[in-house]
Amino acid sequence: AQRVTQPEKLLSVFKGAPVELKCNYSYSGSPELFWYVQYSRQRLQLLLRHISRESIKGFTADLNKGETSFHLKKPFAQEEDSAMYYCALKSGANSKLTFGKGITLSVRP
Amino acid sequence: DTGVSQDPRHKITKRGQNVTFRCDPISEHNRLYWYRQTLGQGPEFLTYFQNEAQLEKSRLLSDRFSAERPKGSFSTLEIQRTEQGDSAMYLCASSLDYNTEAFFGQGTRLTVV
Repeated sequence: AQRVTQPEKLLSVFKGAPVELKCNYSYSGSPELFWYVQYSRQRLQLLLRHISRESIKGFTADLNKGETSFHLKKPFAQEEDSAMYYCALKSGANSKLTFGKGITLSVRP
Repeated sequence: DTGVSQDPRHKITKRGQNVTFRCDPISEHNRLYWYRQTLGQGPEFLTYFQNEAQLEKSRLLSDRFSAERPKGSFSTLEIQRTEQGDSAMYLCASSLDYNTEAFFGQGTRLTVV
């Protein structure tokens, strides 16, 4: 069965500091990984997906199959990055998502 | 707002009562998903529809839960004989096909007292 692990619940950094949100997964097939973000009082929305290999709002994430990881990184955090971040894995023909427990990112001025 | 719409946004009910939630997906989205999110957890998959067919149900979906999507458009999720453990945020999501993004609604927060 697939599993997504986000080992930390909270990350608090100062504005301008680098950010790394960790995500590890367990899946027997070929994984498709995502990061979703939920800003305060807003709905869950897609931030980025590994197959796109693009940078969104300065965030990047690289799939490391050897370490089964998909960590989210940003070199210089901004206050508007404060939100809840979820790592998710898509599996099966039905493309259902398996989510991690999420991490709260707090960026202080 | 042309995104996924869920109604009601909040529901408080007494234990043992039945509740029904509605989800209106984005127009022309064939795939519709229900997830449940409890405090401190990520969303957990409940069930999936492709058009009007319910193709997958999680083991989390006990016999008290039923979901429908009668015309392949909106969907309803009913919980019968609610229990305190059913208190959660119920999220609906839709997507056009396998390769496209899943868009989430704002959820229905259920509190069973």
